[in-house]
Parts: sequence; structure tokens; C-alpha cells
Amino acid sequence: GENVEQHPSTLSVQEGDSAVIKCTYSDSASNYFPWYKQELGKRPQLIIDIRSNVGEKKDQRIAVTLNKTAKHFSLHITETQPEDSAVYFCAAPNAGGTSYGKLTFGQGTILTVHP
Amino acid sequence: NAGVTQTPKFRILKIGQSMTLQCTQDMNHNYMYWYRQDPGMGLKLIYYSVGAGITDKGEVPNGYNVSRSTTEDFPLRLELAAPSQTSVYFCASSSQSSYNSPLHFGNGTRLTVT
Repeated sequence: GENVEQHPSTLSVQEGDSAVIKCTYSDSASNYFPWYKQELGKRPQLIIDIRSNVGEKKDQRIAVTLNKTAKHFSLHITETQPEDSAVYFCAAPNAGGTSYGKLTFGQGTILTVHP
Repeated sequence: NAGVTQTPKFRILKIGQSMTLQCTQDMNHNYMYWYRQDPGMGLKLIYYSVGAGITDKGEVPNGYNVSRSTTEDFPLRLELAAPSQTSVYFCASSSQSSYNSPLHFGNGTRLTVT
């Protein structure tokens, strides 16, 4: 099955700085990579996703980049704000076997943005 | 449109007790999932369903059972609760496979087994 590694586990930045979270995956056939944000005590919510036919996708202050050759993808948050403080999860689908299509999640990154 | 609704929000069980976590969605999604979230460990898939009457095991199914008699409901049953099942449980749904469409999560159930 898919193996997803996420780094760093914690990230602390000053308001206005950029934050980058990186994930690596093992299955070269995977072609869909979502990112979820989970605020304290809340449910995870999708913030951005990318498919393997593109290398980068942006949505305002958030961007995701994908390097299929190296099998890694990254979340970039620019001009961080205190409300960006949350746990961020990456995920990749299992591309074969009995768990085909099901997402494997990274361990999560706790992002803290200091005012 | 309530989305995905889970009950209860909190529960404390004694070792060996049983309980059912309820999950219902009103988005007419065929795909439904149960995840557990342990501190620092991300989300692990317990069971999933691709439609009414069809269920299958995920990554960590031991100690759990599910049923899917309707499109809307996907209850998770814990038999003989153990401390290792202390966790936060999230139900989720998607219109297509999670390979192709985003997951919509419920608010979670925090379960403690003592």
C-alpha cells in the first residue's frame, strides 16, 4: 500500500512569513494529492488538491507543488496569518491492491503562526 | 443541508462494553468512511463503503464492525471495548471514490475507554 511521510511535524512562523510543508509518497501510480486543514477541536477540511497532470496549483495564499519524479508534493502558505494556525494533513491514494483509491494520510504538521 | 452528522460527541466506556457510533449524511453520497485519529498519528481508515449493502475493511478494522443498510447511514460498532480504542473517530463521505473527490468529515466522536 501507499506510504506517506510528512515533514516537519511542527512548524512555528511569524505572521507574514511563508510556511512550507512537504510530503513524500511511495506509489508512483498515485495521481491525486489533497491537503486538509484541521483547526483545534474541529473536523478536517479540504483546502487544496492537485492531480498529477499539473505541477503546481494556486488558490490565493495557498499553493501546492508536485514533483512526480521525486515522488513528493508540498504545501506553500504565503503571508501567514494567525488564523492559519492548525494541523495540516497531506494524503495520497492507494493505487492498487484491496485498498485501491483509498487515501493514506500523513502524520500531520502543527503550524503555529505568531502575531 | 447538514452534511455529515455524528453522534455522540463524547463517550466514556468501560473495558468490555459495547457501543455504536452513529453517522448520517444528507448529500446523497455513495462513498462513506470511518477514520480514527490518534495524537500525532494522522488519520487511519477503519472501514469504508461504496454504497448501500457494500462494506470493506480499511487499514485498522480489528475490534470494529459496520453496516450500510441505507445510503444515508453508516454506523460503526465497537464490541468489547479496549483501551487501545481510545481515540477520536471521524465519519466522512464523498460523492465518488476518495481517489477523485474530496472527503466531507463529520465533527468527530471523542471516545475514552477506561
